[in-house]
Amino acid sequence: GAGVSQSPRYKVTKRGQDVALRCDPISGHVSLYWYRQALGQGPEFLTYFNYEAQQDKSGLPNDRFSAERPEGSISTLTIQRTEQRDSAMYRCASSAQLGEQFFGPGTRLTVL
Amino acid sequence: AQRVTQPEKLLSVFKGAPVELKCNYSYSGSPELFWYVQYSRQRLQLLLRHISRESIKGFTADLNKGETSFHLKKPFAQEEDSAMYYCALSGSYNTDKLIFGTGTRLQVFP
Repeated sequence: GAGVSQSPRYKVTKRGQDVALRCDPISGHVSLYWYRQALGQGPEFLTYFNYEAQQDKSGLPNDRFSAERPEGSISTLTIQRTEQRDSAMYRCASSAQLGEQFFGPGTRLTVL
Repeated sequence: AQRVTQPEKLLSVFKGAPVELKCNYSYSGSPELFWYVQYSRQRLQLLLRHISRESIKGFTADLNKGETSFHLKKPFAQEEDSAMYYCALSGSYNTDKLIFGTGTRLQVFP
């Protein structure tokens, strides 16, 4: 079956604009995770959901970042008033309960 | 503080040589340890986890709680092993966030 998908794959935006990044997990996966990866660094945890409930948002850097998963499937990570320091690869992963995390291809965000 | 340290950014070896990618961690508790790999133009994928104690593609990793290490080893490197390798930990088996190291790029020359 299909793996985790993310859209768009590439996003270029101007400073100050809002962006929405989408993650479509593997069907039936309970948990969904968002990570951010800056150049030369490892992925850094942002937030995760079990079903529609946001379990941990401790990694969101500030209140410009938010995420939702309203029906327990697709999730959207929204960044308001983007800044150049938000430029990074944004990775989504999903897992079954107590299962391996499967990663999507990532969205490369560039803020000009 | 929870942390994963991979001291080498780049490791270059010739085909057939042994490989050891180092990983040290700090965590107050009993973490689960993982190795993830990213081949060129592919997505990040799980290579192995310490609780399964299995060998994947000839790679093994042993958790050493005394030294807080989880080094990845392979006795004879192959060109197709060239990739980015990330060590990661979680607080409980895959139900929690992963904390990643900065990664080591392995280059295997023919």
